[in-house]
Amino acid sequence: DSGVTQTPKHLITATGQRVTLRCSPRSGDLSVYWYQQSLDQGLQFLIQYYNGEERAKGNILERFSAQQFPDLHSELNLSSLELGDSALYFCASSADSQETQYFGPGTRLLVL
Amino acid sequence: QKEVEQDPGPLSVPEGAIVSLNCTYSNSAFQYFMWYRQYSRKGPELLMYTYSSGNKEDGRFTAQVDKSSKYISLFIRDSQPSDSATYLCAMIKAAGNKLTFGGGTRVLVKP
Repeated sequence: DSGVTQTPKHLITATGQRVTLRCSPRSGDLSVYWYQQSLDQGLQFLIQYYNGEERAKGNILERFSAQQFPDLHSELNLSSLELGDSALYFCASSADSQETQYFGPGTRLLVL
Repeated sequence: QKEVEQDPGPLSVPEGAIVSLNCTYSNSAFQYFMWYRQYSRKGPELLMYTYSSGNKEDGRFTAQVDKSSKYISLFIRDSQPSDSATYLCAMIKAAGNKLTFGGGTRVLVKP
C-alpha cells in the first residue's frame, strides 16, 4: 500500500458526460501528479500540483482540468467525454519534484 | 521516436532464472532513473531509484545506469512466479517534474 488513495475505483459513463476523480496524497506529500494510462499510449503525464498551485502541465486536453485543495487532496475533472478517454487514471504523490513518486491504485474509466 | 524505448516483451523465464530488463533513452537531460513494477490493473509500485551511473542493489534487484550510453537495466535474481508483472522504466530530468515512462516489459516467470 503506497499510502495514496483514489476514488472511485471504477467509473462507467457515457460520451459527452463529465466525471470527477479524487486523489488523497500520502501524509506529508505536497506534490500531486496525474497520469493517464492507455493501451496505445502507455503512461502519460497530465499535470502536477504543488501545495495548491499548478506546477507543470503535460499533454492534458483542454476538456480536462484539475485542482488541489488546501487539505492537499486533488481532483481531476474530465468533461465532454469521448470514447478515447477510456483509460486508467493514476494519481501519484511526492514530497517535492524529483522526489520519489508513489502511485495510487488508479481509477478505471470506461466511456460508452 | 519516443524519448524512452523499452521492449514490450513478453519475456518468459523459468522460476529461479535471472530476469534482465533494459531501457534506452535519447535525451541526456534525464538524470534520475526509476523502475516500477505494475501488476495487472494495479498502480505502479516503485522498485528502484538511482541518480548516478553504476550499480545499485536491493535484495534480489540490481539496477544499472550507463549515462554515457543512455542505457539502464534492471536485473532480478532468483525470479519467482510472483515477479510476473509489467516492469516500467521511468526517468526525470534535472529540475524536472514529470516522469517519462517506457512502454513497459511484460515478464512471466513460470514455475
